[in-house]
Amino acid sequence: QKEVEQNSGPLSVPEGAIASLNCTYSDRGSQSFFWYRQYSGKSPELIMSIYSNGDKEDGRFTAQLNKASQYVSLLIRDSQPSDSATYLCAVISFTSGTYKYIFGTGTRLKVLA
Amino acid sequence: EAGVTQFPSHSVIEKGQTVTLRCDPISGHDNLYWYRRVMGKEIKFLLHFVKESKQDESGMPNNRFLAERTGGTYSTLKVQPAELEDSGVYFCASSQVSDSYNEQFFGPGTRLTVL
Repeated sequence: QKEVEQNSGPLSVPEGAIASLNCTYSDRGSQSFFWYRQYSGKSPELIMSIYSNGDKEDGRFTAQLNKASQYVSLLIRDSQPSDSATYLCAVISFTSGTYKYIFGTGTRLKVLA
Repeated sequence: EAGVTQFPSHSVIEKGQTVTLRCDPISGHDNLYWYRRVMGKEIKFLLHFVKESKQDESGMPNNRFLAERTGGTYSTLKVQPAELEDSGVYFCASSQVSDSYNEQFFGPGTRLTVL
């Protein structure tokens, strides 16, 4: 059973629309959650981190966390073609003495001009 | 400030050969991580250094993989001898802290192809 699950997509949205990316995780003890954006052949780039239930907004990005449902999402408002990338959900897991990232497979987002 | 850098960006080798990947973390980051992404799968943890010490190497696939971080600065990951299933993208990341809130910064990865 996967520990972090994401729909691989592609998720296609028109320019200017809201893109909604979802992630579920299995470790109920997880406390920290991250969204990374990765363009093809480039580094995963951290765009949001969230630690508490509720919403966290940063510019056009909003992360939402619901620990009871073990669900974290990323909303991108006013989507632009430049937002087209793979979005990786990462959850911190403490095992073998280390806080390490557990990643989902990523969701590919396509914003259509 | 320079980000995490990795060398080489691509490596193509034949089965049985040896390859060494290098990672330079962000200056001042004591924590260095290696991850690997095999095609179609998620990025998976390999190991974690705190300065020059291996904190956790539970993700290393087998003893053909050897990671070092002499002096606590850059790190190398050697695969010897390489097998076909070792193909994938190897990412390095670094962070200032290693607690439950640590934000890790990733390098661009090394794409390894074993023929």
